[in-house]
Amino acid sequence: SQTIHQWPATLVQPVGSPLSLECTVEGTSNPNLYWYRQAAGRGLQLLFYSVGIGQISSEVPQNLSASRPQDRQFILSSKKLLLSDSGFYLCAWRKSEPNYGYTFGSGTRLTVV
Amino acid sequence: AQSVTQLDSHVSVSEGTPVLLRCNYSSSYSPSLFWYVQHPNKGLQLLLKYTSAATLVKGINGFEAEFKKSETSFHLTKPSAHMSDAAEYFCVVSETYSSASKIIFGSGTRLSIRP
Repeated sequence: SQTIHQWPATLVQPVGSPLSLECTVEGTSNPNLYWYRQAAGRGLQLLFYSVGIGQISSEVPQNLSASRPQDRQFILSSKKLLLSDSGFYLCAWRKSEPNYGYTFGSGTRLTVV
Repeated sequence: AQSVTQLDSHVSVSEGTPVLLRCNYSSSYSPSLFWYVQHPNKGLQLLLKYTSAATLVKGINGFEAEFKKSETSFHLTKPSAHMSDAAEYFCVVSETYSSASKIIFGSGTRLSIRP
């Protein structure tokens, strides 16, 4: 069966520090991968998605970046965090076929102080 | 362009009474529609999905939703609320024309259950 792992679960970082959140998927190949952010009291915002290794599409201009160094690995990064980067970050995957639902990771609660 | 509107930001019902969470969508193509549930500080769990088969879709935990094309709605219902149903619920639309299709989330509805 397929599983998705996301870590860390919680993270407190000072303003200006770097960020690296990792997400891996097991039990499938060539998944579509997604990073979402959920700010307090708001819905989910798509940040990045990837349909293959090295292929990253950005939805929102910001100081975050994403990379996909391996087929089932998706990394969210920042060189210098801002206070506004605080939120709940969710990684998700789905098969590369229409109508296939999304499976989400357990999320990372990021607090920038 | 696709969009999804959840008509209520907060719904409160008594335990044992019916639940109705409303969702309207807009899509240029045949949409796939989903409902997800999120408990506090947890990831999202798929409740059910509609993908152009039966218009009445049954999901987990006794939830179901009916796709009504004429009303562009996909409301989530449950006959009898349970305390464990208290959570945030998201209606999601995905256009099916592309395998790389993105999904659009509604703003969410917080469901509270009164004892």
